[in-house]
Amino acid sequence: QQQVKQSPQSLIVQKGGIPIINCAYENTAFDYFPWYQQFPGKGPALLIAIRPDVSEKKEGRFTISFNKSAKQFSLHIMDSQPGDSATYFCAASMNSGGGADGLTFGKGTHLIIQP
Amino acid sequence: ETGVTQSPTHLIKTRGQQVTLRCSSQSGHNTVSWYQQALGQGPQFIFQYYREEENGRGNFPPRFSGLQFPNYSSELNVNALELDDSALYLCASSHRDRGRTFFGQGTRLTVV
Repeated sequence: QQQVKQSPQSLIVQKGGIPIINCAYENTAFDYFPWYQQFPGKGPALLIAIRPDVSEKKEGRFTISFNKSAKQFSLHIMDSQPGDSATYFCAASMNSGGGADGLTFGKGTHLIIQP
Repeated sequence: ETGVTQSPTHLIKTRGQQVTLRCSSQSGHNTVSWYQQALGQGPQFIFQYYREEENGRGNFPPRFSGLQFPNYSSELNVNALELDDSALYLCASSHRDRGRTFFGQGTRLTVV
């Protein structure tokens, strides 16, 4: 049973556009929601994370929007660049990220930024 | 760079064999977790170690086992390898009270 649903599976955006990746979760005990970026042959790299007490968080060109009532959260990448082309994963965990159940990941979004 | 290092980077094993993967956690982190990432999928949680004891496990059989050492390095052991065990194995470290989890570059295991 997939507890974090991620969409779209793949996404192509022109340089400078704003790709948006969406995730939905079911487990209301989740209270920590990170996003990871993964390049081929590399491990996932932590981009940005949010807790449910805020509705939006920005770090550089990356923004998370969070809707607790809908149990949804999304990643926006401002002024996207070809170097942002990668696979992006949303994740969720309990106990503010320190839970013993680890991170539950979505299936990933393969993002291509065209020059 | 995350400071989480894994070895080896690639490994080929025969079905039925046993394998040990190693990880060195980021300095200051007291929790280590292991994940399996099949091709085209998100990482799946295998288990987590804190203070040298397993304190959480995902949906993986007992032939997946691990160790955490006093210096926060860790091992993942897989017995009786199956073809479906072919995947990227990721080590992740974190501080129990701070949530942020950092991954190593992974070990690509191929079972033939």
